[in-house]
Amino acid sequence: ETGVTQSPTHLIKTRGQQVTLRCSSQSGHNTVSWYQQALGQGPQFIFQYYREEENGRGNFPPRFSGLQFPNYSSELNVNALELDDSALYLCASSLGQGTGEKLFFGSGTQLSVL
Amino acid sequence: GENVEQHPSTLSVQEGDSAVIKCTYSDSASNYFPWYKQELGKGPQLIIDIRSNVGEKKDQRIAVTLNKTAKHFSLHITETQPEDSAVYFCAPVFSGTYKYIFGTGTRLKVLA
Repeated sequence: ETGVTQSPTHLIKTRGQQVTLRCSSQSGHNTVSWYQQALGQGPQFIFQYYREEENGRGNFPPRFSGLQFPNYSSELNVNALELDDSALYLCASSLGQGTGEKLFFGSGTQLSVL
Repeated sequence: GENVEQHPSTLSVQEGDSAVIKCTYSDSASNYFPWYKQELGKGPQLIIDIRSNVGEKKDQRIAVTLNKTAKHFSLHITETQPEDSAVYFCAPVFSGTYKYIFGTGTRLKVLA
């Protein structure tokens, strides 16, 4: 059984650019959630995808968007990057999208915006 | 609103001692209460969880207790070891949502 994998592990971008982060969910999991973790803080919910549809969203602007593919892998896209977008972006997969489903996290993508 | 507070923010204990971290939440309808451990350079890892119909759950050296009336739950680690050193997060799931609301974290240092 493979765990959650994310790519790339590190990324440096400049303000105004666009970025795509990728996530492969754990085998058998059909739900993917994305979280942003700023330095020294807890992760914050961005959105969740279930069966290729966005299933819930946190307090993030529309320039944060995502996709889920038929194999349940997922992408997080961020347009018009701002300095405050510098953070660790975590992907988590779960067996389902119900309340209380256990989340399994990848190691994250560290994004630096200069 | 959704509010989660975690205390203490840092905790140092001698190897072999116990550690307790407390998490207070605002939504009285929350029904799922996990604890995550995050080591440097890694994503959070689920270490123990409890649901609202249970008051306590134990897994070897780790236990979680829940007080729904007071709206807090606590992580207990006994016989601490150096490898327990990490940042610990509580992350209650608020009713009617799929999102975990993470606390601000507790940095635990176990001194050998």
